Amino acid sequence: DVKVTQSSRYLVKRTGEKVFLECVQDMDHENMFWYRQDPGLGLRLIYFSYDVKMKEKGDIPEGYSVSREKKERFSLILESASTNQTSMYLCASSPRFSKASYEQYFGPGTRLTVT
Amino acid sequence: SQQGEEDPQALSIQEGENATMNCSYKTSINNLQWYRQNSGRGLVHLILIRSNEREKHSGRLRVTLDTSKKSSSLLITASRAADTASYFCATDAGGYQKVTFGTGTKLQVIP
Repeated sequence: DVKVTQSSRYLVKRTGEKVFLECVQDMDHENMFWYRQDPGLGLRLIYFSYDVKMKEKGDIPEGYSVSREKKERFSLILESASTNQTSMYLCASSPRFSKASYEQYFGPGTRLTVT
Repeated sequence: SQQGEEDPQALSIQEGENATMNCSYKTSINNLQWYRQNSGRGLVHLILIRSNEREKHSGRLRVTLDTSKKSSSLLITASRAADTASYFCATDAGGYQKVTFGTGTKLQVIP
């Protein structure tokens, strides 16, 4: 079974803190993704990575950065957390067979509250 | 940007009934996927239908795709309380297997 794990299920941080969200997958997938999920807005793509050290901006990258030093690990960084970044953060991975999209495997999510 | 829009936003049915939810999208796709999310958890992939397919089945799930109308439907037959979840469609957004998720349909199955 594919397993995608996220470092925390719940996290509470203060405004201005630097926040690291970690994601690890064990299926040797090339692609990894970070989404945030807010009520009424569905999932929105923050950043994705299609290979080690490669990253691409998604739809809402402002206020976030990412790091992918190893194939299995993809980190989301909030440089200076703000209250509008309070959200559910979901990490996903998928294999890269062709240009067509393929199913994504999701972690359990991290519910981040910024106070 | 949101490519898929699910309809209805919420649906409440009795156990044993069928549940149908719809997804409309805006631009041409290579394939469309449906995912389920139980409350407060990650998403689980249910089924993928390619643009050259019109219908696909998986257990109690039936998915249809009408590319001329840019729409898809997910039918869950003989629903169970365990089917209570949010359901999302996802369309490919080109390159590197990005997908764009809709806003979801929240299904409640009453025992």
